Amino acid sequence: GENVEQHPSTLSVQEGDSAVIKCTYSDSASNYFPWYKQELGKRPQLIIDIRSNVGEKKDQRIAVTLNKTAKHFSLHITETQPEDSAVYFCAASINQGGKLIFGQGTELSVKP
Amino acid sequence: EAGVAQSPRYKIIEKRQSVAFWCNPISGHATLYWYQQILGQGPKLLIQFQNNGVVDDSQLPKDRFSAERLKGVDSTLKIQPAKLEDSAVYLCASSFFPSGSTDTQYFGPGTRLTVL
Repeated sequence: GENVEQHPSTLSVQEGDSAVIKCTYSDSASNYFPWYKQELGKRPQLIIDIRSNVGEKKDQRIAVTLNKTAKHFSLHITETQPEDSAVYFCAASINQGGKLIFGQGTELSVKP
Repeated sequence: EAGVAQSPRYKIIEKRQSVAFWCNPISGHATLYWYQQILGQGPKLLIQFQNNGVVDDSQLPKDRFSAERLKGVDSTLKIQPAKLEDSAVYLCASSFFPSGSTDTQYFGPGTRLTVL
């Protein structure tokens, strides 16, 4: 079945630096790749997503890139702020099912 | 718009007891998902409904877990009897999900279950 690997498991950066989180997926039929941010004790919230017909998508300080050939996608956060501190999850989905397969999560800590 | 609602928010039970969780999806969303999130891990799908039909329950431990979606709107997830390893956050999500496409899933706040 589909599997999603996420790295690193923890990431600590200084405020203002960039952060990059990487995921790989196993099923080449996957065509939808969302990223969720989960603060402690809160619900996962979608921050950005990308579909397989595009290679990059940006939204202010966050961007996601997708390499279909290598079956990996990455989240880039620039000019990090303390409020970016949270656990970030990548996920992958095959069109027909809609079921999300999540990575293991990355705990991002932004130090002021 | 109102988000996905879940109750209760917290539940503590003894092993072998039963427990039920409730979810009300975003109005108009046809698809409803129940995920289990064990501490330190990503959510794992337990069951997916489209309207009141089951789309995927391949990861649902059917000997102890059951779920239903009443009239294609609200849903309940039940565990009977509970085991220690069922301790987790149970997340409900919904999406508009027209047939044949993929759409954004919106999550509820979750129910944190502790089995003692």
